[in-house]
Amino acid sequence: QKEVEQNSGPLSVPEGAIASLNCTYSDRGSQSFFWYRQYSGKSPELIMFIYSNGDKEDGRFTAQLNKASQYVSLLIRDSQPSDSATYLCASGNDYKLSFGAGTTVTVRA
Amino acid sequence: GAVVSQHPSWVICKSGTSVKIECRSLDFQATTMFWYRQFPKQSLMLMATSNEGSKATYEQGVEKDKFLINHASLTLSTLTVTSAHPEDSSFYICSAPTSGASYEQYFGPGTRLTVT
Repeated sequence: QKEVEQNSGPLSVPEGAIASLNCTYSDRGSQSFFWYRQYSGKSPELIMFIYSNGDKEDGRFTAQLNKASQYVSLLIRDSQPSDSATYLCASGNDYKLSFGAGTTVTVRA
Repeated sequence: GAVVSQHPSWVICKSGTSVKIECRSLDFQATTMFWYRQFPKQSLMLMATSNEGSKATYEQGVEKDKFLINHASLTLSTLTVTSAHPEDSSFYICSAPTSGASYEQYFGPGTRLTVT
């Protein structure tokens, strides 16, 4: 079983719509959870991190964490073509990160 | 803000040769750095933890004699791929932890290695 699993995608949404990304993790010792965006050929860029149960909002992005269900999600509101990328979910135990396989999102203009 | 750099950004080498990749923290000290590898259309896989002044810690399945890590100073870690083969062709990314409590890391821009 993979430590971090993401919905497989690809996900295609129209511009202005909400993109919903899901992630589950297996290590109950994980303390922090991260969403990264990765453009083709580039290094990951941090979008958000969350470590407490509940929702965390930052601009158009909302992360949700449910430790009981071992579930993390990311909502992208008002999706823009520039949001088209692969989104990586990661769980962290201390500073060691385990990444999911990623979900590729395409925002259609 | 803090930046992690890598050099080179891309490299092509012949099979059987060795190649060294540098990872530098530019305006902060990093006693620990991490090396990841990413094959095409796959996710990042942690290869090893680089510790300043001591031996690196390798993840299961990563050959420590093939992927030599040296963390000789507080701002520089190097990864040497020895006797490279085409299957070592990958995107190598290093990272360094921030000083915050969130366990956030700064990622380098990555090095694309192609072994011919």
